[in-house]
Amino acid sequence: AQKVTQAQTEISVVEKEDVTLDCVYETRDTTYYLFWYKQPPSGELVFLIRRNSFDEQNEISGRYSWNFQKSTSSFNFTITASQVVDSAVYFCALSEMNRSQFYFGTGTSLTVIP
Amino acid sequence: ETGVTQTPRHLVMGMTNKKSLKCEQHLGHNAMYWYKQSAKKPLELMFVYNFKEQTENNSVPSRFSPECPNSSHLFLHLHTLQPEDSALYLCASSQEDRWETQYFGPGTRLLVL
Repeated sequence: AQKVTQAQTEISVVEKEDVTLDCVYETRDTTYYLFWYKQPPSGELVFLIRRNSFDEQNEISGRYSWNFQKSTSSFNFTITASQVVDSAVYFCALSEMNRSQFYFGTGTSLTVIP
Repeated sequence: ETGVTQTPRHLVMGMTNKKSLKCEQHLGHNAMYWYKQSAKKPLELMFVYNFKEQTENNSVPSRFSPECPNSSHLFLHLHTLQPEDSALYLCASSQEDRWETQYFGPGTRLLVL
């Protein structure tokens, strides 16, 4: 069965600190997608990144970076030099490659304190 | 209007009421989705429509009835709901062959009394 665990329910950091959001997943599929979404207070989910299971290269996009470790079934998300605008709930998700079914974690609420 | 819009943004209804949630996408997509987001629970996919045809129904109770009259509009008709149905209902859209890249609306916050 597919499952995504985000053990950190809430995190608070002071502005400019780095913060890492953890994501651990379970799947029996050998090919799958992993995602991160951001949900600001306005409610809509904003797509951040999608990774294929066969591509373990880490990715950096500005202040955001993602560390995909297949050996530990983890897909962690790091925000460098956090800003107040980063305050949101962040969701990690998993999906099979041939089916439009997402399995979301319960989310991590990040608060960046000015 | 751009992106995915949802109305109303907030809804309070009694258990005997009938109401409808509306979603409209302005992205030229041909697949639309309803999700339920309850407190402390993972986001749950409810329904998927591809080219106006329902392709997924994840064991959703019949008190939720979706309708997709065209590729741009999606409705969720609600009747005789229960208090545990109170949640944020999110709509999303995508290209049918790019389901992994979905664009979400702001959601309707539903409270069932």
